[in-house]
Amino acid sequence: GAGVSQSPSNKVTEKGKDVELRCDPISGHTALYWYRQSLGQGLEFLIYFQGNSAPDKSGLPSDRFSAERTGGSVSTLTIQRTQQEDSAVYLCASSLDGPKGREQYFGPGTRLTVT
Amino acid sequence: AQKVTQAQTEISVVEKEDVTLDCVYETRDTTYYLFWYKQPPSGELVFLIRRNSFDEQNEISGRYSWNFQKSTSSFNFTITASQVVDSAVYFCASSTGANSKLTFGKGITLSVRP
Repeated sequence: GAGVSQSPSNKVTEKGKDVELRCDPISGHTALYWYRQSLGQGLEFLIYFQGNSAPDKSGLPSDRFSAERTGGSVSTLTIQRTQQEDSAVYLCASSLDGPKGREQYFGPGTRLTVT
Repeated sequence: AQKVTQAQTEISVVEKEDVTLDCVYETRDTTYYLFWYKQPPSGELVFLIRRNSFDEQNEISGRYSWNFQKSTSSFNFTITASQVVDSAVYFCASSTGANSKLTFGKGITLSVRP
């Protein structure tokens, strides 16, 4: 079946602009995660959605970052007033469910460059 | 808090050599999960294996094998008879039963030369 998809694959934006990154998880997966991969920080957790539960936002680096998941499926990560340090690859992953430590399947990522 | 340490940063081997990638984890939870992911040059993270804290059995899948030892908090990954296609960055990661977010190590860049 189809894997996790993300769009756009690349995004170049000017400092101060807002960006939206989209993630389509694997059908039937109730858990959805966002991570960020950068040279300096490695792979970092950002936010986790599980079913209809309140999301775990503990990894969001600032209040400029927010995410939502509509209808238990597609998720959008929004970064407001982008800064150069936001440049990274943003990865989305999904799993069958969260609490049982299921394996997560990752999308190809969105490479964000803030100029 | 969890921590995953991959002390090796870069490994270079010649094709057909065996290579072991080390992973040491730290957690206070009794229920936890360990993972290995591969990130080839194309960039997409590929799931390789998951183990839970109650299952210390080693696992072999083709040329890949994993050694999980709770006594040393290690979850090492061995590639037997390495191939050029094994060249990638390999990440070890952990999660707990309570919070499923993955905590990743820094990754090991493996280069297999023909």
